[in-house]
Amino acid sequence: ETGVTQTPRHLVMGMTNKKSLKCEQHLGHNAMYWYKQSAKKPLELMFVYNFKEQTENNSVPSRFSPECPNSSHLFLHLHTLQPEDSALYLCASSRLTGGATEAFFGQGTRLTVV
Amino acid sequence: AQKVTQAQTEISVVEKEDVTLDCVYETRDTTYYLFWYKQPPSGELVFLIRRNSFDEQNEISGRYSWNFQKSTSSFNFTITASQVVDSAVYFCALRSSNTGKLIFGQGTTLQVKP
Repeated sequence: ETGVTQTPRHLVMGMTNKKSLKCEQHLGHNAMYWYKQSAKKPLELMFVYNFKEQTENNSVPSRFSPECPNSSHLFLHLHTLQPEDSALYLCASSRLTGGATEAFFGQGTRLTVV
Repeated sequence: AQKVTQAQTEISVVEKEDVTLDCVYETRDTTYYLFWYKQPPSGELVFLIRRNSFDEQNEISGRYSWNFQKSTSSFNFTITASQVVDSAVYFCALRSSNTGKLIFGQGTTLQVKP
């Protein structure tokens, strides 16, 4: 059983839809992350939350809106997406944001924008 | 600037062969951390190992071994006697002690044929 759970696993949405991705971690970690993985590209860090506070926004378009109500939950709200936003969205958590702490990942949400 | 390069895009071997996955990194930090992750078809990134910049001791874990060479900025990963279950995408990553950002390489797709 993974310590980081993402739902849904697959999502197909139209460009005018609004949807949300959910991530939950059961590891007692304080930091949570959203990554985007597109075909033939390195993983791109999108957002970082540390103790529920956003500490990094990696120039992500405003059509992606993160929310972190507590250290165990992280959401990514999506609206008016573009086809090029189709990708695997990975959530991760770590005990701390820096140093010698490894990140643990969920299985991702495969998003297709039509 | 920090960068991780995995020059091998795809590798195909036959079961029981040994295979080495290359990773070269760039950083100006004196303290940093290197990681390897495995991404099976299910999508989840599985943490394999962390190495601190001040610890150049190589490590062996079962069929896996890692060779950290600070002089050449490399952190290579060898799988001995490969198995079909080793088929996955493998990512090398670098975290700076200053920024805390976890930067990934492009990944190497390993296919182990029976």
